[in-house]
Amino acid sequence: GAGVSQTPSNKVTEKGKYVELRCDPISGHTALYWYRQSLGQGPEFLIYFQGTGAADDSGLPNDRFFAVRPEGSVSTLKIQRTERGDSAVYLCASSLSTRQNTGELFFGEGSRLTVL
Amino acid sequence: GNSVTQMEGPVTLSEEAFLTINCTYTATGYPSLFWYVQYPGEGLQLLLKATKADDKGSNKGFEATYRKETTSFHLEKGSVQVSDSAVYFCALSAMYSGGGADGLTFGKGTHLIIQP
Repeated sequence: GAGVSQTPSNKVTEKGKYVELRCDPISGHTALYWYRQSLGQGPEFLIYFQGTGAADDSGLPNDRFFAVRPEGSVSTLKIQRTERGDSAVYLCASSLSTRQNTGELFFGEGSRLTVL
Repeated sequence: GNSVTQMEGPVTLSEEAFLTINCTYTATGYPSLFWYVQYPGEGLQLLLKATKADDKGSNKGFEATYRKETTSFHLEKGSVQVSDSAVYFCALSAMYSGGGADGLTFGKGTHLIIQP
């Protein structure tokens, strides 16, 4: 399909385990964003890539969270030593260019992470 | 910092009723304002936007006017349908939203339920 694809759609893990969440953005979109949405809350910014580099990672809550985008397309969000408080829906979005300031981000359906 | 406040839900209306969902914001500089919608089982998608004061965004019968003097961007629709049932998010993009010029700060979302 032509939209943003996220896998897995659901992930259940145990406290202390390592988790990877994958995002495949719309082809040609240079900007990629990760957001986290907890129950009853709006999405909260985690990290933003422009091309291969993390242009802004100010939203990552601590050093257990890391994200990469090695070839400027697919991105992986990595969470080490998961905690129950990490349970949330992790959203990925992409857009054409931050220079246009259009604000139209195209979102995937999210990866729901549950830490037991 | 930047923030968005929107009315708590759920909001339950009958079909053909008039809808208002209130949204106010606090931002540094001159933000762009957005309404995103999340239909059941789908990802967030842009509903409408306004990029400067007094602009009106509109789409699918929904409207919102950027009011700088009251820092508001209330969503309205004259006659709602069952198919409008969804979660609606007010958002802004501005400096320090996180994520460059397109990065978004979201409100908590308002769950709208339309009964036939």
